Amino acid sequence: KAGVTQTPRYLIKTRGQQVTLSCSPISGHRSVSWYQQTPGQGLQFLFEYFSETQRNKGNFPGRFSGRQFSNSRSEMNVSTLELGDSALYLCASSLGQARTDTQYFGPGTRLTVL
Amino acid sequence: AQRVTQPEKLLSVFKGAPVELKCNYSYSGSPELFWYVQYSRQRLQLLLRHISRESIKGFTADLNKGETSFHLKKPFAQEEDSAMYYCALLHQGGKLIFGQGTELSVKP
Repeated sequence: KAGVTQTPRYLIKTRGQQVTLSCSPISGHRSVSWYQQTPGQGLQFLFEYFSETQRNKGNFPGRFSGRQFSNSRSEMNVSTLELGDSALYLCASSLGQARTDTQYFGPGTRLTVL
Repeated sequence: AQRVTQPEKLLSVFKGAPVELKCNYSYSGSPELFWYVQYSRQRLQLLLRHISRESIKGFTADLNKGETSFHLKKPFAQEEDSAMYYCALLHQGGKLIFGQGTELSVKP
């Protein structure tokens, strides 16, 4: 099976702009989670989607939002970008049937905000 | 509050030496813990989970509820073990809480 894919792999934006990142889960997986990775804060959970519904949410401002489509693909949107949003954004997919289902990570999207 | 602590940012050992990567957690319920690994230029991947009680690539980890620890151990380190290792705690609903990570460097 193909692994989790994320597009684009690299992105450069300026402050105030908005950005949309995409994640395609492993075939058959219905849960997609998003994480932000920075040198200072490490890996932090953003949110999780299952069957097109947000099932969990982390402690991030409302500028961070997401959605999931009927084919389980997910997008994450960040509006009004700030310098501190520069990070590696990872998505992970799982079957989603049990909370202990293994999460498989994508390669990430490296976002740089100038 | 739920928290995972990996006290060592960098751990350097020689090939063939034993290695122990420390992980301590803070959690009010019954914890479910994982070790993830990221090799150079590769994606984050699951190494092992305490619920499986398995040994992967020679690594084992035992959950010690009394000491709230889940240390990762390998008796004889190999150069190919060099990577970033993250300890993670499963919170409600499938949310993973990660430690800051430990970079393991195995020297020849």
